[in-house]
Amino acid sequence: EAQVTQNPRYLITVTGKKLTVTCSQNMNHEYMSWYRQDPGLGLRQIYYSMNVEVTDKGDVPEGYKVSRKEKRNFPLILESPSPNQTSLYFCASGLFDRGKNYGYTFGSGTRLTVV
Amino acid sequence: GESVGLHLPTLSVQEGDNSIINCAYSNSASDYFIWYKQESGKGPQFIIDIRSNMDKRQGQRVTVLLNKTVKHLSLQIAATQPGDSAVYFCAANDRGSTLGRLYFGRGTQLTVWP
Repeated sequence: EAQVTQNPRYLITVTGKKLTVTCSQNMNHEYMSWYRQDPGLGLRQIYYSMNVEVTDKGDVPEGYKVSRKEKRNFPLILESPSPNQTSLYFCASGLFDRGKNYGYTFGSGTRLTVV
Repeated sequence: GESVGLHLPTLSVQEGDNSIINCAYSNSASDYFIWYKQESGKGPQFIIDIRSNMDKRQGQRVTVLLNKTVKHLSLQIAATQPGDSAVYFCAANDRGSTLGRLYFGRGTQLTVWP
């Protein structure tokens, strides 16, 4: 089954304790991205990657890191989480082929609480 | 870049009626548009897409209309059912500086009442 898998689904952590949210896709998509979703603000892009070893900042990258060492994986790293990073996070992957966009497939989400 | 916005944050319809959710975009260079549905506690799910060489595209009970002149698209849901209750997002690409990226609106909460 074609899917994007995020782990964990729920995470409660303390301020300053480094954490990683994993994301893996099995569709051989070049494009992967992380979003956070907060009430009233919609989906805001954190980072995206057009291919292996190619990453770039989205609209709200502060406090986050990503890496793309393999095509299928795109982990989101919070080096020193703070309470304002409490949010619902989504990973997405998409096909961008011969200059054409195609839709994204989203993971099920990770609800992060930083206390 | 691109700015995408929905006209109404909430929409309530009676079961069996047709629903229309509207969206506006800012970038005339955008040539690909998608509608997503997000149910409570789940990730957004693809509903239907349309490219700029079309004005209309139909799926199962859903139709997307694209008006490039006024940079507007809409999602029409026929015979709305309780299972259609969700947040609906439109998204558009940007053929300019950020190839591959999609820009999302803030969403419209559709509530279907019996």
